[in-house]
Amino acid sequence: DQQVKQNSPSLSVQEGRISILNCDYTNSMFDYFLWYKKYPAEGPTFLISISSIKDKNEDGRFTVFLNKSAKHLSLHIVPSQPGDSAVYFCAATVSWGKLQFGAGTQVVVTP
Amino acid sequence: DAGVIQSPRHEVTEMGQEVTLRCKPISGHDYLFWYRQTMMRGLELLIYFNNNVPIDDSGMPEDRFSAKMPNASFSTLKIQPSEPRDSAVYFCASSRGGGPPGANVLTFGAGSRLTVL
Repeated sequence: DQQVKQNSPSLSVQEGRISILNCDYTNSMFDYFLWYKKYPAEGPTFLISISSIKDKNEDGRFTVFLNKSAKHLSLHIVPSQPGDSAVYFCAATVSWGKLQFGAGTQVVVTP
Repeated sequence: DAGVIQSPRHEVTEMGQEVTLRCKPISGHDYLFWYRQTMMRGLELLIYFNNNVPIDDSGMPEDRFSAKMPNASFSTLKIQPSEPRDSAVYFCASSRGGGPPGANVLTFGAGSRLTVL
């Protein structure tokens, strides 16, 4: 049972524009949400997180928005750069340690 | 620190053979996780350990899969017998507990790509 869903398997965006990645979840008990980034032949690396008590968290070019009523979160990358081309995973946790991941979204930033 | 180290990076085997994947977590990390990545399901948690003790193995697909952590610096994931549907990338990750969820993020290894023919 997939409790974290990323319905867009891929996203293509021009360099300098905004990338918006979406994630939906079904478990209202999730209390932390994270985004991971993965390059080919490497393991995922942590990007940014947000607590369920907040609705926005910003770190440089990356901003995560949380809409608890809609059980939806999104990651905004502004401006997009070629090095942002990667697979992005959304993840959520109820209790410490058990992160549940979505299927991932492949982002391609074109010149 | 060298990060989380996994071996082998690539494994090709025939159906029915035993497969053993290995992981060395980051020194000082007291949580260790095994994940499997497939196109259809993304990253699935198979099992995780805290202080070498298995805490939750509900994600282990079936009895053909087993995981051990004999000490704080080593873990194995074994598949016996292997089947073609086990083909995937298997990731090991570790973290340091003691803080709020989300603050103690996982550090992943580079993964072991398994192909079962």
